[in-house]
Amino acid sequence: AAGVIQSPRHLIKEKRETATLKCYPIPRHDTVYWYQQGPGQDPQFLISFYEKMQSDKGSIPDRFSAQQFSDYHSELNMSSLELGDSALYFCASSSDRLPDGYTFGSGTRLTVV
Amino acid sequence: GENVEQHPSTLSVQEGDSAVIKCTYSDSASNYFPWYKQELGKRPQLIIDIRSNVGEKKDQRIAVTLNKTAKHFSLHITETQPEDSAVYFCAATIRSGGSNYKLTFGKGTLLTVNP
Repeated sequence: AAGVIQSPRHLIKEKRETATLKCYPIPRHDTVYWYQQGPGQDPQFLISFYEKMQSDKGSIPDRFSAQQFSDYHSELNMSSLELGDSALYFCASSSDRLPDGYTFGSGTRLTVV
Repeated sequence: GENVEQHPSTLSVQEGDSAVIKCTYSDSASNYFPWYKQELGKRPQLIIDIRSNVGEKKDQRIAVTLNKTAKHFSLHITETQPEDSAVYFCAATIRSGGSNYKLTFGKGTLLTVNP
């Protein structure tokens, strides 16, 4: 079965650069979520989209923005990168037609040097 | 907002023993409580979940209990095996019937099962 696809798997950027992470949800899932997980930390909710509209916002810095496109894939844009942005970024998707919980992608490991 | 406390932060057991991880939540409106297992560098994987209209749920060696009055829920793993070693996260959220819900995670428990 198709899972949540994230790209790239690994990304190395320098301070003050920009990065774009992509997420392709499970087909027919209508909600996408982004989480940030620092080393040894729990996942922190950043932002979510339902039917291409932003539905909830968490601890997402102003330097970050995200959107969901007509094909339901989502992109997380990160500008003016800081060392502290180094983390695993997970995307998850869900559907209101399915009673189960989230399905997480494999994550993007961002390293800012 | 929701606040989830998880204990212990580390847990070491002998193979075959039971392991119990406990979480408390602050928002009495929370009604969905999933548990995730995460191996190093990998994605969180849902292992079991419980909704507020149920007090206990079991799936083979894994069980979860929920006490709504006390606002705490626990994960029980019996007959532990070395492959159970991982970080376990509890989470809580309010599910209103739709799919759009954010999870608030506990800080995680590093479970080590010694052969």
